[in-house]
Amino acid sequence: DTGVSQDPRHKITKRGQNVTFRCDPISEHNRLYWYRQTLGQGPEFLTYFQNEAQLEKSRLLSDRFSAERPKGSFSTLEIQRTEQGDSAMYLCASSLVLGRRDFPQETQYFGPGTRLLVL
Amino acid sequence: GNSVTQMEGPVTLSEEAFLTINCTYTATGYPSLFWYVQYPGEGLQLLLKATKADDKGSNKGFEATYRKETTSFHLEKGSVQVSDSAVYFCALKSGGTSYGKLTFGQGTILTVHP
Repeated sequence: DTGVSQDPRHKITKRGQNVTFRCDPISEHNRLYWYRQTLGQGPEFLTYFQNEAQLEKSRLLSDRFSAERPKGSFSTLEIQRTEQGDSAMYLCASSLVLGRRDFPQETQYFGPGTRLLVL
Repeated sequence: GNSVTQMEGPVTLSEEAFLTINCTYTATGYPSLFWYVQYPGEGLQLLLKATKADDKGSNKGFEATYRKETTSFHLEKGSVQVSDSAVYFCALKSGGTSYGKLTFGQGTILTVHP
């Protein structure tokens, strides 16, 4: 049973460059979440997908951020024109929710994260 | 909006000591509550959860009881080990909604010395 995987694990870029991260969820999980975690803080929700549909985006997700999940499997998170304030750990999580009865019990499984440093 | 407040760390204990990490929350409706643990260099792992009032979640010797009257979900372990050294996050998920975004506390660093 493979868990959630993320690529790359580390990324160093210069301010103004574009970066793209990939997340591969647990097979057959229909929900996929992106979170951002800065040093000394808990993760903060960015966006989530139910299959290929992006159903909610946080106000933290500025216009420079875009996420996709084209076939309802893997997802990508792109940051355009990176800023130093974008430096953080980007976490992906997946879960399986089949119906309303699953909502309270839903468990999200997290990947190892991609650590971004913008110079 | 929803929020989670954890006791400030870091917490430093000797092996076999008793552990309590306090967690209180603010939420509408009936949230589900979670404790996640993050070991050095690894991703977040679910430690335990509780989905309704008075439920007790337990795993690996850790326990937490969902207390609606005090809006709390304190994490406890009777005898900690060096291997329990990690960052612990309390989190909630709003009840009665179809999406499942988690709201996390700031995390508590636990260090256990031999």
